[in-house]
Amino acid sequence: KNQVEQSPQSLIILEGKNCTLQCNYTVSPFSNLRWYKQDTGRGPVSLTIMTFSENTKSNGRYTATLDADTKQSSLHITASQLSDSASYICVVSGGAGSYQLTFGKGTKLSVIP
Amino acid sequence: NAGVTQTPKFRILKIGQSMTLQCTQDMNHNYMYWYRQDPGMGLKLIYYSVGAGITDKGEVPNGYNVSRSTTEDFPLRLELAAPSQTSVYFCASSPWLQDTQYFGPGTRLTVL
Repeated sequence: KNQVEQSPQSLIILEGKNCTLQCNYTVSPFSNLRWYKQDTGRGPVSLTIMTFSENTKSNGRYTATLDADTKQSSLHITASQLSDSASYICVVSGGAGSYQLTFGKGTKLSVIP
Repeated sequence: NAGVTQTPKFRILKIGQSMTLQCTQDMNHNYMYWYRQDPGMGLKLIYYSVGAGITDKGEVPNGYNVSRSTTEDFPLRLELAAPSQTSVYFCASSPWLQDTQYFGPGTRLTVL
């Protein structure tokens, strides 16, 4: 069964600190992996999308890594801001031509002053 | 561009009632999707569409129906609402199947 597991479930950090969120998946075949940010009461917004051949992708203070061999990804947030408080969702897409996305449950990040 | 819009934002239904959740996108995307998000769970795909007139079931289609008469609109119909359909519903669209999906703000539905 295709699964996406995220850790930790929740995280509290001080403003200005860095943090790393983890995503492990068992989806096969694999097409791409996406990280979304979901603010409370809003729809998810895409941060990055990575294919099998990509190891690292950055979007401002967000850097995603992918190890397709171990089926692991991470999202690193640098110099956190209060506006980074949100849920971060890892989403894995199946093989080419597949509509099926497997969503993780998300990591709820709280950045405090 | 407004992106993906959804109405209503909130709704309370009684068991057995029916309603339609509206979704419109102005990005001329071919693909549209309906998801539900239950508390503490990942999003689940209900239905999707690859273009006007073409729809197909996702992971959890029971109790729902969809239609796609235009590129822009993709309404989700709930017939005979049940408490198990209490959830937040998100509509999304994408240019192509494996492309980034753009989500609407969601509809919070409670069935009592």
